[in-house]
Amino acid sequence: EVQLVESGGGLVQPGGSLRLSCAASGFTFSSYWMSWVRQAPGRGLEWVANINQDGSEKYYVDSVEGRFTLSRDNAKNSLSLQMNSLRAEDTAVYYCARSLGRKDPSGSAWFSSFDIWGQGTMVTVSS
Amino acid sequence: DIQMTQSPSSLSASVGDRVTITCRTSQSISGYLNWFHLNWYQQKPGKAPKLLIYAASNLQSGVPSRFSGSGSGTDFTLTISSLQPEDFATYYCQQGYSDPWTFGQGTKVEIK
Repeated sequence: EVQLVESGGGLVQPGGSLRLSCAASGFTFSSYWMSWVRQAPGRGLEWVANINQDGSEKYYVDSVEGRFTLSRDNAKNSLSLQMNSLRAEDTAVYYCARSLGRKDPSGSAWFSSFDIWGQGTMVTVSS
Repeated sequence: DIQMTQSPSSLSASVGDRVTITCRTSQSISGYLNWFHLNWYQQKPGKAPKLLIYAASNLQSGVPSRFSGSGSGTDFTLTISSLQPEDFATYYCQQGYSDPWTFGQGTKVEIK
């Protein structure tokens, strides 16, 4: 079964750090871009960061740039998000998601979507 | 950043109704052969989102055929042809055209 399982969430004080992990199974982890998407309580979805197959490319939303670091261990089928200098506005459920790329019928371009999601892990930043 | 605006923000409908949700992007999203960088997701309370439609009009495997997507440029639509009890949820559009990937604010479909 294709599965993503997040862990590492919890309560942390403003300015603190937390490390989230995502364990992948049921597919060839090293073949896919992976992302983190978060959802603040009662709010919509926000893409946070993504990483390419070998970890050489990483992209972040501006609000976390310089504070969050994304990494992966393909030997362990694992994705990690190191979150530093946490703020109240980082409070959210964090989802790990697989990015699936598909080519259009003409083969002209790649189209990506988040096709597999984990169950999410809650991060609460509060004093 | 590309801004995504969904309408309506919420709607009430009955089982069997045809439901249409619109997503407008702040700039045109390119595509090829009616494939556009626009995806649709369904989320139920306390659950992770689920991919319904990819590249604007392609049905994700396992998703019922009553769901369909269309559109081009800046205007995209998700249609549920005959609403079923399990379809009451929140729906999000998402663009994969340019970084940062952005989502619409969501459309909550409630029971009338």
